[in-house]
Amino acid sequence: GAVVSQHPSRVICKSGTSVKIECRSLDFQATTMFWYRQFPKQSLMLMATSNEGSKATYEQGVEKDKFLINHASLTLSTLTVTSAHPEDSSFYICSAQQGLGEQYFGPGTRLTVT
Amino acid sequence: TQLLEQSPQFLSIQEGENLTVYCNSSSVFSSLQWYRQEPGEGPVLLVTVVTGGEVKKLKRLTFQFGDARKDSSLHITAAQPGDTGLYLCAGDSGGSNYKLTFGKGTLLTVNP
Repeated sequence: GAVVSQHPSRVICKSGTSVKIECRSLDFQATTMFWYRQFPKQSLMLMATSNEGSKATYEQGVEKDKFLINHASLTLSTLTVTSAHPEDSSFYICSAQQGLGEQYFGPGTRLTVT
Repeated sequence: TQLLEQSPQFLSIQEGENLTVYCNSSSVFSSLQWYRQEPGEGPVLLVTVVTGGEVKKLKRLTFQFGDARKDSSLHITAAQPGDTGLYLCAGDSGGSNYKLTFGKGTLLTVNP
């Protein structure tokens, strides 16, 4: 099956700093990538949808200036959490989709803001 | 906004028991997926159901899509400790993006 990687798998940062998370589709070209956020023992909440070469579409309640998404190529999307605060601590998961096919999920990134 | 109600939210059973997880909505979905997620990892797709009334089997797991494509169930026979995890249903309502709506998940613990 298709492989999606995320980097880093875990990151700890200080309050006020920015953190970049990468999502890569390793063996296919992803026309669309999705970013989710998951709190402990809860489900995935879609944050935004990004299509290669265009601006991301954010879900209601997600601050686009805080969660910067760049989908510069068909195999890479990045999520930058700007001026991170402890409440941004969460498990961030990306998924990648080729055309209208199924989504393949990455292994997630655990962000802890101290 | 489409919602998927998943129940039960938590389930703790003994090895060998059977269980059913339900996923219900008032909306129609083009397709519905079931995922299993282990702590600290991303969700792994188990099955996709597309046709109303469809039944799919994956070893001890049986998935059913409702006739009206609004609900689905996952039945596990003779559960094993290795089945422990978070089970998520997700619906695709169609459209230009394959955007998924996730249920809240069922946290299953199978005790040896």
